[in-house]
Amino acid sequence: GNSVTQMEGPVTLSEEAFLTINCTYTATGYPSLFWYVQYPGEGLQLLLKATKADDKGSNKGFEATYRKETTSFHLEKGSVQVSDSAVYFCALGGSASKIIFGSGTRLSIRP
Amino acid sequence: EAGVAQSPRYKIIEKRQSVAFWCNPISGHATLYWYQQILGQGPKLLIQFQNNGVVDDSQLPKDRFSAERLKGVDSTLKIQPAKLEDSAVYLCASSPLTGGKYEQYFGPGTRLTVT
Repeated sequence: GNSVTQMEGPVTLSEEAFLTINCTYTATGYPSLFWYVQYPGEGLQLLLKATKADDKGSNKGFEATYRKETTSFHLEKGSVQVSDSAVYFCALGGSASKIIFGSGTRLSIRP
Repeated sequence: EAGVAQSPRYKIIEKRQSVAFWCNPISGHATLYWYQQILGQGPKLLIQFQNNGVVDDSQLPKDRFSAERLKGVDSTLKIQPAKLEDSAVYLCASSPLTGGKYEQYFGPGTRLTVT
């Protein structure tokens, strides 16, 4: 069945550092891939998504590229800010299937 | 546009008691989801509604959990009787379209503690 594996946290970085959070998936067919973010005390919200191979999703300085050959969707940001501190979830979903979430990666940014 | 509303935000009960959570999705969203998020894990789908019909309840522990979505708008999730392992955040989400390819909009969640 479909599954998502993402980098375990917590991840702690200094402000302006480069961020990578790894995500790999197992799926049949051609699912959409998502990154959701959960800020403290809030619900999950969509950060970015990609719907087919080689698509790049981007938002708020974050990027992720749908790599079918490596079954990956790694999240990157060139320069993180304290306000990026949150829990990040990688997820996948097919047209006829539910969304499957990874276990989440907690990110803390030091000023 | 108002987001997904949930209440209560926090609930503490003793095991074997019952509890109910309420969700009001974004207006016009036909699909509604209830998730259970245990600490340190990703959300796990409990039940999915399309309008007022159930699409997927395969992971709902039906001996103790029940959910309804009367009139295809608001929804209630109930646990009776609660167990210690039900301690989690219960998330409600809605979407204008059905299917895993589409964005879901989440409420703030209800944090349940069972003692």
